[in-house]
Amino acid sequence: DAGITQSPRHKVTETGTPVTLRCHQTENHRYMYWYRQDPGHGLRLIHYSYGVKDTDKGEVSDGYSVSRSKTEDFLLTLESATSSQTSVYFCAISEGREANNEQFFGPGTRLTVL
Amino acid sequence: AQRVTQPEKLLSVFKGAPVELKCNYSYSGSPELFWYVQYSRQRLQLLLRHISRESIKGFTADLNKGETSFHLKKPFAQEEDSAMYYCALRGASNYGGSQGNLIFGKGTKLSVKP
Repeated sequence: DAGITQSPRHKVTETGTPVTLRCHQTENHRYMYWYRQDPGHGLRLIHYSYGVKDTDKGEVSDGYSVSRSKTEDFLLTLESATSSQTSVYFCAISEGREANNEQFFGPGTRLTVL
Repeated sequence: AQRVTQPEKLLSVFKGAPVELKCNYSYSGSPELFWYVQYSRQRLQLLLRHISRESIKGFTADLNKGETSFHLKKPFAQEEDSAMYYCALRGASNYGGSQGNLIFGKGTKLSVKP
């Protein structure tokens, strides 16, 4: 599993509240990614990081922000959660130091926004 | 634009029957193509990548650049193959600054009946 964990694994929250999801890796991988998985949409990239404090937007970044203050942690924040952000969120890494290496995925976080 | 199309949302076959999950892509260049599998409520796992030309769990996939396809095949389906299958594309590492990001299709749910 390339040493990837996500927390929390499940969360229920209310519309308008801030939410932070954490992705943690233990193997010093350079590239990290946040995806959301929705029926009928597959996986879509939210944000990615190519190093500490280096991040960029993906396909569906509106309403999300990220931070990476250290190599091992990549945080995804929903500043003000909406029901449309109910989804399963997956973190991923590219193995090693190159973007083109194999991507490994975390176990996912199931977020419900009421 | 880069795009991955999986035309079937659901594919249902009987055990022992051949399986073909379709994947077509749109990309101007030489992409990398992948198949990922997700068993019920688990993390995504890499099943195949076209450059390795391996056969994993009896599955094979051939990149057909003329037809822009990367269909996944297995001659004899097993019940344990029931899962969600995602085709994914990765363009050049620096394409639009995408750092080798994956673009996923919407997925095909394979159901293998006894």
